[in-house]
Amino acid sequence: AQTVTQSQPEMSVQEAETVTLSCTYDTSENNYYLFWYKQPPSRQMILVIRQEAYKQQNATENRFSVNFQKAAKSFSLKISDSQLGDTAMYFCAFKSYNNNDMRFGAGTRLTVKP
Amino acid sequence: EPEVTQTPSHQVTQMGQEVILRCVPISNHLYFYWYRQILGQKVEFLVSFYNNEISEKSEIFDDQFSVERPDGSNFTLKIRSTKLEDSAMYFCASSEEGRQGPRGYTFGSGTRLTVV
Repeated sequence: AQTVTQSQPEMSVQEAETVTLSCTYDTSENNYYLFWYKQPPSRQMILVIRQEAYKQQNATENRFSVNFQKAAKSFSLKISDSQLGDTAMYFCAFKSYNNNDMRFGAGTRLTVKP
Repeated sequence: EPEVTQTPSHQVTQMGQEVILRCVPISNHLYFYWYRQILGQKVEFLVSFYNNEISEKSEIFDDQFSVERPDGSNFTLKIRSTKLEDSAMYFCASSEEGRQGPRGYTFGSGTRLTVV
């Protein structure tokens, strides 16, 4: 069974600085997808960025980028130029090609300080 | 941008009662999901639904739960005989693709269920 581990329950960063959130996962599969979701205080789950395992190039979405290390099964999220609106819970998620069960990590609570 | 809509946003029910949580997925999406998040815990998969039937379900999704797509737009989760431990945030999600979809799921804002 796939598991997703986020080892940082809480993190904080100064506004305009850069922060990296860690995620590791365990799978025996070769084809899968990885996601980062943001959950602000409103509790809605918002897709931040996604990565397809067969792509070597790291995904980038504006201020958000990932460092995908397939061999190490690592998928970290880098947030550049942090903004107050980035304050939220961030969940790393894994989805296999072979089923519809998206597995989530326990989350990292990020606080951006003014 | 298209949204997944969930109603109600908050539901309080007495233990033992039945509740129905409602979701309107994005109109051109074909795959629908329910997830649950107990306060302070991780988001857990409950069930996926495609072509008017359950395609996958987790061990959490026992006989107490059922899903239905009663018309062309709504997707409901019914919880029978609610227990205190059913208190959680319930998220509906939909996607265009199923297993091989790279785009991820679009989640609704959730329904906070409180069982008293």
